[in-house]
Amino acid sequence: DARVTQTPRHKVTEMGQEVTMRCQPILGHNTVFWYRQTMMQGLELLAYFRNRAPLDDSGMPKDRFSAEMPDATLATLKIQPSEPRDSAVYFCASGSTQDGRTTNEKLFFGSGTQLSVL
Amino acid sequence: KNQVEQSPQSLIILEGKNCTLQCNYTVSPFSNLRWYKQDTGRGPVSLTIMTFSENTKSNGRYTATLDADTKQSSLHITASQLSDSASYICVVTQGSDYKLSFGAGTTVTVRA
Repeated sequence: DARVTQTPRHKVTEMGQEVTMRCQPILGHNTVFWYRQTMMQGLELLAYFRNRAPLDDSGMPKDRFSAEMPDATLATLKIQPSEPRDSAVYFCASGSTQDGRTTNEKLFFGSGTQLSVL
Repeated sequence: KNQVEQSPQSLIILEGKNCTLQCNYTVSPFSNLRWYKQDTGRGPVSLTIMTFSENTKSNGRYTATLDADTKQSSLHITASQLSDSASYICVVTQGSDYKLSFGAGTTVTVRA
């Protein structure tokens, strides 16, 4: 079955360290989402890419977070420097558009990266 | 302000019984409403997606309803199984193609 692959599954790091999370979207999908999930806030959109172009990263703290798609098979989310408040589960999801609209398409989520910043 | 409210926050049911989860939303403009199932330690998986013109959709033992006039949706689980134990998240797409508003979820525990 096609699926979204995220690595690592778990990451424990110390405050101030750099963290890089990776996502392999489903082959053929042209949209990628990064979400953060916490008990308090639920799922929040961090970044949205379409055809590898970042269209919305308004949900990301710009001073420490960055998201890129070096190619169609890889999306990365980087935190530098990390802080304890960044502890959460980070999900990547991919989908596909028709004429630039995804509203009626399914999103496929990866299993997430559980990040703990000590 | 969360525009998607789910109730109850959690519930416990016996295997074989039915249950109904509620979702109220104020998201506008409305494009579609989705229900996702999230198992512990996994990502959400889509169960149903409904547009404005649809008022019911089924996926196996899961049946979702939508009343776009009252901005309410429900997810009914029939003949629950232990594997139904999960968090169920209501998601409303807000007009544009990628703006999704997520509810906080309802945690369902099915006991033998």
